[in-house]
Parts: sequence; C-alpha cells; structure tokens
Amino acid sequence: DSGVTQTPKHLITATGQRVTLRCSPRSGDLSVYWYQQSLDQGLQFLIQYYNGEERAKGNILERFSAQQFPDLHSELNLSSLELGDSALYFCASSASGGAVDTQYFGPGTRLTVL
Amino acid sequence: AQSVTQLDSHVSVSEGTPVLLRCNYSSSYSPSLFWYVQHPNKGLQLLLKYTSAATLVKGINGFEAEFKKSETSFHLTKPSAHMSDAAEYFCVVSERGGGNKLTFGTGTQLKVEL
Repeated sequence: DSGVTQTPKHLITATGQRVTLRCSPRSGDLSVYWYQQSLDQGLQFLIQYYNGEERAKGNILERFSAQQFPDLHSELNLSSLELGDSALYFCASSASGGAVDTQYFGPGTRLTVL
Repeated sequence: AQSVTQLDSHVSVSEGTPVLLRCNYSSSYSPSLFWYVQHPNKGLQLLLKYTSAATLVKGINGFEAEFKKSETSFHLTKPSAHMSDAAEYFCVVSERGGGNKLTFGTGTQLKVEL
C-alpha cells in the first residue's frame, strides 16, 4: 500500500458525459501527478500540481482539467467523454515535486466509456 | 526531450534463472532513472531509482540496475527469478529542471515459468 488513495476504483459512463476522479496524496506530500494508461498510448503524464499550483503539463486534452485543493487532495475532471478516453487513470504523489523525488502511485481508477 | 526505449516487449525465463530487462534512455540533461513494476490489476510500485550517486543501484526483491552513461543504458537484473516476479516492468526517466514529469517506456512483460 503506497498511501495514495483514489476513488472510485471503477467508473462506467456514456459518451458525452462528465466525470470526476479523486486522489488523496500520502500524508505530508505536497505534489500530485495524474497519468493515463491506455493500450494504444501506454502510460502518459497528464499534469502535476504542487501545493495547489500547476507545476507541469503533459499530454492533457482541453476537455480534461485538474485542480489541487488546500487540503492537498486533487481532482481530475474529464468532460465530453469519448470512447477513446477509456483508460486507467493513476494519481501519484511526492514530497516536494523535484526530479529526484520518488513518486508513489495509487491503485488507479478504471474508466470505461460506452 | 527525454525518452526511454525498452528493447523487449516480452521476456520469458525459468524460475531460478537470471532476469535481464533492457532499457536505453535519451536525455538532454543529467537524468534520474527509475524502474517500476505493475502486477496485474495493481498500481505501480517503485523497484529502484538512480539519481547520480552510485551507478549500481540496488532495489527491492533482489533487483538491481546499473547506470552506464557511455551506453545510455539502465538495464534491470535479478540473479534468480521467482514466480512472484511475473509482472510488467517499466523503465522511467525524469529530467531535472521544472517539475517532475516522468516519461515511461512501453513496458516489458516478464513471464516466469516452472
């Protein structure tokens, strides 16, 4: 158990809908990351937050947005969902967000878009 | 831009024999390199990391990796495979300077046979 929690574990929804994925980092970690794992794209970095501020952005679609709240939990919002958004979404956290930091991954949320 | 190439998508070994999972990296700056393991339906677990200290890095469960700058390689080894090692392994690079974006390789599926 990494100490990173993600809810829900599974999510099934329809095209065009909007969903919110939630992540609670390890106690004391200030940085939160979101990754998408799909069969065709592999594991891709989406976005990083550090202490409430966006720190780095990767291959995140405009239909997706994220935020980190004062209590350091984070939410990833996915809207106008398409079939291709079906994937495993991981959240990770690290102490400070530097390049030598170890990122600890949560168990993931499996999103299925029908 | 940083990248990693995992040279084998599938590796099959017999229990008790050595494991070698190959990874080459590309990075403009001094990289941090990691190996993560993903067991079926589980999250990602850190095996080991290199951050410019000793070039031979020891990790959990008997795994180790050697950073070779001249060959731009970071291969993962284990002297004796165990059935519980069957999983997918990811070589990962993080480039210093601004955030902590991880770039994942495409993964190597390790199969361990009796």
